[in-house]
Amino acid sequence: TQLLEQSPQFLSIQEGENLTVYCNSSSVFSSLQWYRQEPGEGPVLLVTVVTGGEVKKLKRLTFQFGDARKDSSLHITAAQPGDTGLYLCAGASNTGKLIFGQGTTLQVKP
Amino acid sequence: KAGVTQTPRYLIKTRGQQVTLSCSPISGHRSVSWYQQTPGQGLQFLFEYFSETQRNKGNFPGRFSGRQFSNSRSEMNVSTLELGDSALYLCASSLGGGSGANVLTFGAGSRLTVL
Repeated sequence: TQLLEQSPQFLSIQEGENLTVYCNSSSVFSSLQWYRQEPGEGPVLLVTVVTGGEVKKLKRLTFQFGDARKDSSLHITAAQPGDTGLYLCAGASNTGKLIFGQGTTLQVKP
Repeated sequence: KAGVTQTPRYLIKTRGQQVTLSCSPISGHRSVSWYQQTPGQGLQFLFEYFSETQRNKGNFPGRFSGRQFSNSRSEMNVSTLELGDSALYLCASSLGGGSGANVLTFGAGSRLTVL
């Protein structure tokens, strides 16, 4: 069974701080996606990484896929209250299903 | 274009009852996936339908079932509801080409409370 573990589960920081969220597995994934979910809404796709070692930037968010395609990280620079939400990583499994991590709840206080 | 629409948004049922949830995917999307989201378990995959056929199934009991219609709209049904079925049920649609990098577009979910 392919599993994705995210850490930390909860993060509460002040506006302007930097943070990193990790998504780890013992399995290889063909691709990995990051979503953000706000209260009362469904998850919204932020990025998809496909190649081992790939780095993608989305404004203040930097996503990296591990060289072995088993892990990924999300780094936010100078966090803002609008970044508050649940961040989910999801890997494309060898059966075609998308497997989600447990999520990281981020709270950015003004 | 219109997003993924789920109905109803909120519902309350009692143990033993059954419930049907509906999902209208983005126009042109042929794949619909269903997930159960709870605070303790996160997002758990229920099943995926593509062109009216179940293409993938998660590890849920037979009380959970689904179907897809010719217009790609999907429904999921939960029979003999249990307290533990209380959750946010999310539907997601995609083009469904079979690629592992399918992009999912989620609806806002149906919040089910079982009393």
